[in-house]
Amino acid sequence: DTEVTQTPKHLVMGMTNKKSLKCEQHMGHRAMYWYKQKAKKPPELMFVYSYEKLSINESVPSRFSPECPNSSLLNLHLHALQPEDSALYLCASSVRGGQGVYEQYFGPGTRLTVT
Amino acid sequence: AQSVSQHNHHVILSEAASLELGCNYSYGGTVNLFWYVQYPGQHLQLLLKYFSGDPLVKGIKGFEAEFIKSKFSFNLRKPSVQWSDTAEYFCAVNSNTGKLIFGQGTTLQVKP
Repeated sequence: DTEVTQTPKHLVMGMTNKKSLKCEQHMGHRAMYWYKQKAKKPPELMFVYSYEKLSINESVPSRFSPECPNSSLLNLHLHALQPEDSALYLCASSVRGGQGVYEQYFGPGTRLTVT
Repeated sequence: AQSVSQHNHHVILSEAASLELGCNYSYGGTVNLFWYVQYPGQHLQLLLKYFSGDPLVKGIKGFEAEFIKSKFSFNLRKPSVQWSDTAEYFCAVNSNTGKLIFGQGTTLQVKP
């Protein structure tokens, strides 16, 4: 199984709402990633978890809060977002993080619209 | 800092035409190189990868890429494109910090 799943597929939220995005993989991967992707642009790295610990935070605003409850799950908690945060949020996983020859497997993404 | 440059931003081809998408990277050390494809409405999929060994790499759906170390290039090729190859193509390099550095992407439109 080389699948990364993400829920929900679509999410519309107001600027005062609190919501969460979920990501799951059962490949035994120990590194998981959150990316943000705008239309026709490459994914932008937000966070990296390695062995359930946050290893990279790309200076993401605190209204985005990641959580890694276990090695298979990754959440992204959203609060007080801005309309410019509307984008496709991608989750990815790899065998391990850090230096190395690890390819990343991407999920289908959550299409987020902030109104 | 490492960077990836994709020269062609938007390519339009007719079916059966040959394809070559350029990708250059800036990093003098050991690199791991990838091409990802994103079909309309679908998620990023790995087309092919280069880690070491034979610089000519074959991927899925008839795609191949050639790693030329002296030119810092990893161009993607396909001898004969199909309408179903219409998609966004991203070249990426695995940086020495473990991050995946993406190029800006190339939109390929294949006319039937």
